[in-house]
Amino acid sequence: QSVLTQPPSVSGAPGQRVTISCTGSSSNIGADFAVHWYQQLPGTAPRLLIYGNNIRPSGVPVRFSGSKSGTSASLAISGLRTEDEADYYCQSFDNRLGGSVVFGGGTKLTVL
Amino acid sequence: EVQLVESGGGLVQPGGSLRLSCIVSGFNYNSHWMSWVRQAPGKGLEWVANIKHDGSEKYYGDSVKGRFTISSDTAKKSVYLELSGLRVEDTAVYYCAREEGYSVPAFDYWGRGTLVTVSS
Repeated sequence: QSVLTQPPSVSGAPGQRVTISCTGSSSNIGADFAVHWYQQLPGTAPRLLIYGNNIRPSGVPVRFSGSKSGTSASLAISGLRTEDEADYYCQSFDNRLGGSVVFGGGTKLTVL
Repeated sequence: EVQLVESGGGLVQPGGSLRLSCIVSGFNYNSHWMSWVRQAPGKGLEWVANIKHDGSEKYYGDSVKGRFTISSDTAKKSVYLELSGLRVEDTAVYYCAREEGYSVPAFDYWGRGTLVTVSS
């Protein structure tokens, strides 16, 4: 059971927009800790996609955007492309029991 | 070019030990914390431990505290993870990752990972 909750799967057709939610609590996202997002293509290491809630690292397409409100965060992908099919993970920090980096359970995006 | 290369994975029996290494290049090692993140087969990501470049601060995830030890060698630009008291549930790909200096650690560069299999 992950500290941050993500839907196991989402899907969309090419060109559509999808969102992936990341629900936390008052000890992590709700405590104003930043949220980061990663994309993991099959058989590869994760790649940083969004950091600081909504900042795209150099090289990440503008189709990817992040937001945060209250105890939740979201990743939006617009203009879906077949190469976006991957696992997506949110990550933050939890201040219980001394504090720890925490990840969401991951969401599998299928491009139909 | 930033590179992180892990090594040391393999098959080990329950209760056994292993030492993972991660050698980095292409950036100033002394400016970044480093982390180990693992991924069990078919499962999600789990943060394991992190360390300041000079080894003066280190932290561990609850599931490995007391069994794993992280260390750093600035001269060799390397970070290590000593795994002991291994359990079947420690089976995973172990990634070395560079932390970007943000309020909450963000892992901006990752190695390809090294597979640890704990089985009798």
